[in-house]
Amino acid sequence: EIVLTQSPGTLSLSPGERATLSCRASQSVSRSRLAWYLQKPGQAPRLLIYDASSRATGIPDRFSGSGSGTDFTLTVSRLEPEDFAVYYCHQYGSSTWTFGQGTKVEVK
Amino acid sequence: EVQLVETGGGLIQPGGSLRLSCAVSGFTVSNKYMTWVRQAPGKGLEWVSLLYSGGSTYYADSVKGRFTISRDISKNTLYLQMNSLRAEDTALYYCATGPSDTLTGLHYWGQGTLVAVSS
Repeated sequence: EIVLTQSPGTLSLSPGERATLSCRASQSVSRSRLAWYLQKPGQAPRLLIYDASSRATGIPDRFSGSGSGTDFTLTVSRLEPEDFAVYYCHQYGSSTWTFGQGTKVEVK
Repeated sequence: EVQLVETGGGLIQPGGSLRLSCAVSGFTVSNKYMTWVRQAPGKGLEWVSLLYSGGSTYYADSVKGRFTISRDISKNTLYLQMNSLRAEDTALYYCATGPSDTLTGLHYWGQGTLVAVSS
């Protein structure tokens, strides 16, 4: 099983600031099959990025993903009020899938 | 429009069984990969099971041998049969899928159905 470790656990930032979230895999993620989701309280997760760097439909370009192998990054260039939430990475490159434990982005 | 609607959750005693359903619309359940993801109260997301369009199935170690994923094409519905339930299976269970049969993450999610395992 590929273990995904997200850091930091919590990120305290102000609106307009840049957010950089990390996701490290215990082994290489095949074909960069790594996705990022945002989840707000009481809502289902929403896909932001798939295949490490492709934005999902309707996702604004302030969200970007990068990385390959075992190290992946989600960047939010300028935080909007609606971006404060929990973010999860997810690998779907192996026969068994896994999620990271999440990073909470909170208002400073 | 793609829609996923989960039902079948409820309160069940440890050791009991429950079958979750995920009724889909806007596509045929056998044409895409379908998965179940759960979230324990106040916790993160946990992948549970996966069913490919070709019929291959996969499970997380935590549920292997107890849970079974399946689909009914005539009802356009995905299922999760859960046996030998434990307290640690208590969670909101989501079904989710992608836009095609090519793996590109989970683009569509249902609203979830809550399973509570308690005596």
